[in-house]
Amino acid sequence: GAVVSQHPSWVICKSGTSVKIECRSLDFQATTMFWYRQFPKQSLMLMATSNEGSKATYEQGVEKDKFLINHASLTLSTLTVTSAHPEDSSFYICSAGDRGPSWLAYGYTFGSGTRLTVV
Amino acid sequence: RKEVEQDPGPFNVPEGATVAFNCTYSNSASQSFFWYRQDCRKEPKLLMSVYSSGNEDGRFTAQLNRASQYISLLIRDSKLSDSATYLCVVNRDDKIIFGKGTRLHILP
Repeated sequence: GAVVSQHPSWVICKSGTSVKIECRSLDFQATTMFWYRQFPKQSLMLMATSNEGSKATYEQGVEKDKFLINHASLTLSTLTVTSAHPEDSSFYICSAGDRGPSWLAYGYTFGSGTRLTVV
Repeated sequence: RKEVEQDPGPFNVPEGATVAFNCTYSNSASQSFFWYRQDCRKEPKLLMSVYSSGNEDGRFTAQLNRASQYISLLIRDSKLSDSATYLCVVNRDDKIIFGKGTRLHILP
């Protein structure tokens, strides 16, 4: 089945630094990737949708200059948290789909998530 | 009103019992529906898609009611390993929208 690899699994960084999170589709071409954030005991919240070769679409309230998304190829999307602050500490998860006929049955595949702690 | 709503629970259910969750969605243009399972501090994993005719996978049965805009998940003969958060997921216009999830605890 479809596999999405997300790295790093966890990262601790100092306030003010930037952190890059990678999401790769390993055995399919992901024309669309989604980035989510999940705070403890809360639901996944969609941050942005990225389509290969075009600008990401951000959800209301998500700062596009703070959360930079790049989807330069069909197998790689990156999320960069710029000038991170402690309130950015969260669980970030990507998901990807190939929009082929199987996605209706198999849904979207998630990466294993990145736990970001900003100190 | 949230686009996808679920009872957060927790549902505390004895092992072997049958438990059902509902999820309502507000946008009639929603196209596809899924149940995902999320274990603590892990990523969500697809449990099953939900089809208009209803579908079953072992002990799990999913139903969709477009007229009333809800989907349901029934778990029969519950196991301790079924303890998790169950997320209702709706696809609309190339977006996937998650409910907040229903926490299920299976008690020995």
